[in-house]
Amino acid sequence: GENVEQHPSTLSVQEGDSAVIKCTYSDSASNYFPWYKQELGKRPQLIIDIRSNVGEKKDQRIAVTLNKTAKHFSLHITETQPEDSAVYFCAALKGVGGGTSYGKLTFGQGTILTVHP
Amino acid sequence: DTGVSQNPRHKITKRGQNVTFRCDPISEHNRLYWYRQTLGQGPEFLTYFQNEAQLEKSRLLSDRFSAERPKGSFSTLEIQRTEQGDSAMYLCASSLGRGPRDEQYFGPGTRLTVT
Repeated sequence: GENVEQHPSTLSVQEGDSAVIKCTYSDSASNYFPWYKQELGKRPQLIIDIRSNVGEKKDQRIAVTLNKTAKHFSLHITETQPEDSAVYFCAALKGVGGGTSYGKLTFGQGTILTVHP
Repeated sequence: DTGVSQNPRHKITKRGQNVTFRCDPISEHNRLYWYRQTLGQGPEFLTYFQNEAQLEKSRLLSDRFSAERPKGSFSTLEIQRTEQGDSAMYLCASSLGRGPRDEQYFGPGTRLTVT
């Protein structure tokens, strides 16, 4: 089955700096890669996702890059703010039915991001 | 209803008791997923439904666990003869289930503590 490794497990940055979290996956057939942000005691919230037919996607201060050959993808947060502090999870999915995003998510272990004011 | 809801939010039970959790997905979402999350880990897949059909079950879902979605709307997850190792956050997610885009949106979870 799919295996997702996430690094680093903890990341501490100063406000305004950039933060990068990296994930690798094992199943080359995986085609959908979402990132979730989970604040303490709250539900995981989808913040950005990327599909295997694109290499990069950006949404304001957040961007995700995907390298299918190397089977890794990364989350980039620029101009970090204290409210970005949370646990971030990457995930991978092998869509059933070809080209879809239906199916189970396999999550990484999470990265605790702390942004110091 | 603007999000996935789960009840109860917290459940404390004694070892050996049965517990049942409920998940109400976002309206019109055809797919419903159950995940389990232990402290410091990412969610782990348990099972998922397309309408009322259960399409896949993880090996994590032992015979003490059963999930249903009888009318293709809400779902229940039952754990029989609970064990201390069942203590975790049980998360439900739903997705539209149509078209190529199928983002999963999570509920707040039910935190189970088995004493």
